[in-house]
Amino acid sequence: TQLLEQSPQFLSIQEGENLTVYCNSSSVFSSLQWYRQEPGEGPVLLVTVVTGGEVKKLKRLTFQFGDARKDSSLHITAAQPGDTGLYLCAGVMGGSGTYKYIFGTGTRLKVLA
Amino acid sequence: KAGVTQTPRYLIKTRGQQVTLSCSPISGHRSVSWYQQTPGQGLQFLFEYFSETQRNKGNFPGRFSGRQFSNSRSEMNVSTLELGDSALYLCASSLGPISQETQYFGPGTRLLVL
Repeated sequence: TQLLEQSPQFLSIQEGENLTVYCNSSSVFSSLQWYRQEPGEGPVLLVTVVTGGEVKKLKRLTFQFGDARKDSSLHITAAQPGDTGLYLCAGVMGGSGTYKYIFGTGTRLKVLA
Repeated sequence: KAGVTQTPRYLIKTRGQQVTLSCSPISGHRSVSWYQQTPGQGLQFLFEYFSETQRNKGNFPGRFSGRQFSNSRSEMNVSTLELGDSALYLCASSLGPISQETQYFGPGTRLLVL
């Protein structure tokens, strides 16, 4: 059972377009991270959201954590070829004693010049 | 400050063999976590070590084991390799437990089991 579902799974868009990636769960997460991974490399952290309803902006990227801390979204404005990669959401589920770090199913983005 | 390093970067083994992968965390980081990444299952948590103690473990069989040394370096061992163990194995380090601290990933070790 996949606890963190991402949609869409694949996305191919033209440079300059906007896009939104969704990360959904039926479970509550104490914190949620977004990563980008490029071929042959490990994931690189983009942002961490902690508070329900929180919105964070990183240049052209906007991240939102759902009010109930069960879902999150990543919006990219005016996508560029350098945004191409695998986007992963991940979160900590459970308390400080016993917890699991869960990764989403991933969204593979390709931005065409 | 040097990032997380993993050795070897690539490895080819045959079924039934065992393998040991190594991870050197960022200097000062005391927590090391291991993950398996496959096209079918995505990124899955294997285990986390903090101050030489295993803090958490994912849902993997006992063939997967690990340890952490006093200098925070960590090794992961897989015994009796199966074809399905072919994957990218990622290591991540953090200052403290991953429930509280940001993780930084290494480039991974790509294991191919024939």
